[in-house]
Amino acid sequence: VMTQSPATLSVSPGERAALSCRASQSVGTNVAWYQHKPGQAPRLLIYGASTRATGIPARFSGSGSGTEFTLTISSLQSEDFAVYYCQQYDKWPPLTFGQGTKVDIK
Amino acid sequence: EVQLVESGGGLVKPGGSVRLSCAASGFIFSRYGMSWVRQAPGKGLEWLAGLSHSGVYIFYADSVRGRFTISRDNAKNSLLLQLNSLRVEDTAVYYCARGDDTTTNYFDFWGQGTLVTVSS
Repeated sequence: VMTQSPATLSVSPGERAALSCRASQSVGTNVAWYQHKPGQAPRLLIYGASTRATGIPARFSGSGSGTEFTLTISSLQSEDFAVYYCQQYDKWPPLTFGQGTKVDIK
Repeated sequence: EVQLVESGGGLVKPGGSVRLSCAASGFIFSRYGMSWVRQAPGKGLEWLAGLSHSGVYIFYADSVRGRFTISRDNAKNSLLLQLNSLRVEDTAVYYCARGDDTTTNYFDFWGQGTLVTVSS
């Protein structure tokens, strides 16, 4: 089970945001992060816990291993307000997502 | 440009069936594992089923095993999901997603989704 916190994070543009994801058992570094906006396809941000996907801005970074993971957005831009999901791919099936963290404008 | 376009969604009665399709383009489809993921209204993402690049290895979530069937046609660059014995709680947007490699660990490209509504 992947547990994300907080459920909602209110942040002002330009501020830093840190999103947490906790695994119920160790998943190594087999964690991905996605950004999802209403009506759009989810977008891969990070895989391998810390590797940015192609074309992802450097303000997005991932860290962690084992059971604790963090997605950090260093300086929030207007286009970053969205829901973010973590996903483990260490022990599957099933592939499992966290319940999501909504980042909205403060 | 990688494109995944889902189709086949609509209104279905409880107990009914529907077949979803995902048309892939912009990459060598037969080299990648693929999956279906859904999002129910107000809920998060739920992985449903995945298969390897060749279709030999197939995996399901417990919630859909025995009711949903995933398949692929590499000659037609197409991913399919057959949904049977549908329940109200299967109402969701269904996404097809490309795996990172020949299997389907994480998903580097997603479609826009197709809505399935199960209601009497």
